[in-house]
Amino acid sequence: GALVYQYPRRTICKSGTSMRMECQAVGFQATSVAWYRQSPQKTFELIALSTVNSAIKYEQNFTQEKFPISHPNLSFSSMTVLNAYLEDRGLYLCGARRDNTEVFFGKGTRLTVV
Amino acid sequence: GEQVEQLPSILRVQEGSSASINCTYENSASNYFPWYKQEPGENPKLIIDIRSNMERKQTQGLIVLLDKKAKRFSLHITDTQPGDSAMYFCAASTTGGYKVVFGSGTRLLVSP
Repeated sequence: GALVYQYPRRTICKSGTSMRMECQAVGFQATSVAWYRQSPQKTFELIALSTVNSAIKYEQNFTQEKFPISHPNLSFSSMTVLNAYLEDRGLYLCGARRDNTEVFFGKGTRLTVV
Repeated sequence: GEQVEQLPSILRVQEGSSASINCTYENSASNYFPWYKQEPGENPKLIIDIRSNMERKQTQGLIVLLDKKAKRFSLHITDTQPGDSAMYFCAASTTGGYKVVFGSGTRLLVSP
């Protein structure tokens, strides 16, 4: 079956430092990978969308300078939160799709900033 | 626009009754509408989806309705059980567009 693994599951970082999270699609080749942030009491904010043969597209309020993403192949993506502050805390979800099928989500990386 | 509005934000029902969640979307090109259930500490999981060539879909106590003219779709859970208590998210997407836009979520609370 199709699975998406995210690592780490939880992380704590000091304010102003950076942390990297990873996303691996298993059992299928993802043609698109999206990174979402679920802040406390909020829905999923799309950070950026990475599709096959296209540049990574960032949503408003999110920039490559703050959330650089690497998507070297169809099964792996990583994102870094640079200079993390309190407002960056939340659950970061990676969602991978094959064509126009359902989005398979990983279990997320929960970021706490202290 | 691409927004998806979801209501209600909190829904309390008695066990055995039905629960309905409603969503509206702005992008008339949207043609894929998944629903996700998220339990505390877990990732969201797809529970049912519907494409624009259908108006109704039913599976295992879940019914999804789609009204393309009104740009409205809804989830109906029949015979709710305490295990149905969770956050539910609707979403909309377009063919060829990989972006999936989520609603703000509904917290369903099913009391015994």
